[in-house]
Amino acid sequence: DAGVIQSPRHEVTEMGQEVTLRCKPISGHDYLFWYRQTMMRGLELLIYFNNNVPIDDSGMPEDRFSAKMPNASFSTLKIQPSEPRDSAVYFCASSLSSLQETQYFGPGTRLLVL
Amino acid sequence: TQLLEQSPQFLSIQEGENLTVYCNSSSVFSSLQWYRQEPGEGPVLLVTVVTGGEVKKLKRLTFQFGDARKDSSLHITAAQPGDTGLYLCAGRPNDYKLSFGAGTTVTVRA
Repeated sequence: DAGVIQSPRHEVTEMGQEVTLRCKPISGHDYLFWYRQTMMRGLELLIYFNNNVPIDDSGMPEDRFSAKMPNASFSTLKIQPSEPRDSAVYFCASSLSSLQETQYFGPGTRLLVL
Repeated sequence: TQLLEQSPQFLSIQEGENLTVYCNSSSVFSSLQWYRQEPGEGPVLLVTVVTGGEVKKLKRLTFQFGDARKDSSLHITAAQPGDTGLYLCAGRPNDYKLSFGAGTTVTVRA
């Protein structure tokens, strides 16, 4: 299995621009999670989906952030407009059939907003 | 404020030495997990401890869950350069979403 796939691996953009991060979960996994990792705040859960439906988005920092999962094999996290404080590594993870099962993380997207 | 406090934040030791990393909380967890994250990669699950007082061993790594299920430790015996990485503990308060500690960066010098 290819594992969780994320793209791009690195993104550099200017403040005010729209940024779209992409994730392909492991095939057959029902849960998909978006995390953000920074030195200051560590690894934080932003939102998670079950069977393509957003269940809990309480970790999304503000309205500039949105996430979608149009089908079982694809999800996006969008930031519009981006700000320098959004600079972080964004991880996507998936798990098989429950919140309690092992989460498998992708390699992350390193975002730098200038 | 982190739900899970990890200490120390950084640890640098010589190959062959032992080390211990701690994960503490005032909350009770149904289970605690330990992950290792290498540069440029996502965290990878090492172990899950479920029962208070439980001890699990993974080669040179020993994981312990506190009796009250509020804390955990990771001990590495005879550390090797391949053990270098960010070690994260994570728990589920009320068996819900996974909450991560800030991590301990371990560097093992050859």
